[in-house]
Parts: sequence; structure tokens; C-alpha cells
Amino acid sequence: DTGVSQNPRHKITKRGQNVTFRCDPISEHNRLYWYRQTLGQGPEFLTYFQNEAQLEKSRLLSDRFSAERPKGSFSTLEIQRTEQGDSAMYLCASSLGVRQHSYEQYFGPGTRLTVT
Amino acid sequence: GDSVTQMEGPVTLSEEAFLTINCTYTATGYPSLFWYVQYPGEGLQLLLKATKADDKGSNKGFEATYRKETTSFHLEKGSVQVSDSAVYFCALSDQDSNYQLIWGAGTKLIIKP
Repeated sequence: DTGVSQNPRHKITKRGQNVTFRCDPISEHNRLYWYRQTLGQGPEFLTYFQNEAQLEKSRLLSDRFSAERPKGSFSTLEIQRTEQGDSAMYLCASSLGVRQHSYEQYFGPGTRLTVT
Repeated sequence: GDSVTQMEGPVTLSEEAFLTINCTYTATGYPSLFWYVQYPGEGLQLLLKATKADDKGSNKGFEATYRKETTSFHLEKGSVQVSDSAVYFCALSDQDSNYQLIWGAGTKLIIKP
């Protein structure tokens, strides 16, 4: 069990550019979550997947954000036409899922995005 | 809906002091409760959990007991160290939240040598 991994760890981009982040969950975990966290704040839910199905997306999430989990394993989060307000830490987490009655989520180290 | 309230920080203590960080929750069902810790510049780590009333979660000298009668899950440690300096988040998960985590605002803990 190598834990949740995220790449890249840091990304600096210019406003208007597109960026894509990757998350590899713990191998047997069915659920995968994306969060955003700004300095001094708690995690803000963005979206989650059960296997390859995206089951919920935050209503606050801009249409510029899209996430995929094509084979129910790794996931990507893309931000199009980045804005300075997108600067944040993007966190990925995974969990075994409801059927296993295990609700705790395990987090990756995060990807820090800076939009200049 | 579900919610989590935790004491505001920062909490500043001297090394070897006793720590309590209060956490209370509102939920209609029977949630699972968690404490996560975030060290500077790092991601969130699950510190401990409890899944039913009167359960005690413990890890790294930290403890928290699931108290349904007071809807609380206070975090305690008998003797803190400088290395415990971090932000601590209380969270819950239940059927009403579709098993997503509902977070408290976080409490920053500063331990001085």
C-alpha cells in the first residue's frame, strides 16, 4: 500500500492557460475525491467518483473545471482558462467505499497551483 | 444538514502541556467521526476515528471519545511536543452526507519549547 499519490506537486502557470493534475488512489479504493484548499481554510469539496462514475460535483464549481476517472483507477482534474482565484492546493483522497462500511478518506500530498 | 463546529485557534501551549481541542457536531443519523492533522506544507493525514457511540479513537498519544449524549468528539493529548504543531480538523461522515466528509474549520496548534 503506497498511499495516494498526486502529480505534479507544484504547478505554476500563467492566467488563461489550462492545467491538468493527476491522482492515483490506493489500489483497492472505489471512491476518489477532489478537494480544493486555500491558505488557512479547510478543504472544499469539488467532486467525487465511485469507480469510474462521477456521482457528485459541487454546485460552486465553475464549468472550467472537469474531472475524469476513465477506468476507475487514476483520476485527472483539468482547469481550463485558469484565473488567479484558482491558486490553491488541490487535494485528492480515496476511500474503500460504502459497501465496505469504511468511510475514512486517505489523502495525497496535494498539488499546489499558482496562477500568475 | 450535518455540521461540525470546532474551537477557534490558534491554540498556543508549552511543551508537555495537556491538550484539548473541542469538537461538536450536528447530525440526524449516526455519523462516523474523524480527526485529521495537517502539518505545514503537507496534505491531510487521518489521525484517528470512531464509528459508534462510546468508541475511543487513539493514535500517536492522541485520543478522542465519541460522545453521543453531548454530540462531541474532543481531541486530547496528555503531553504535547513541538512536533505536534499543526492544524487539526474534525470531520464527520454519514448517510445524510452521502458519506462525504463534513469538515470543521480547523484549529491551529502551536507548541512552544
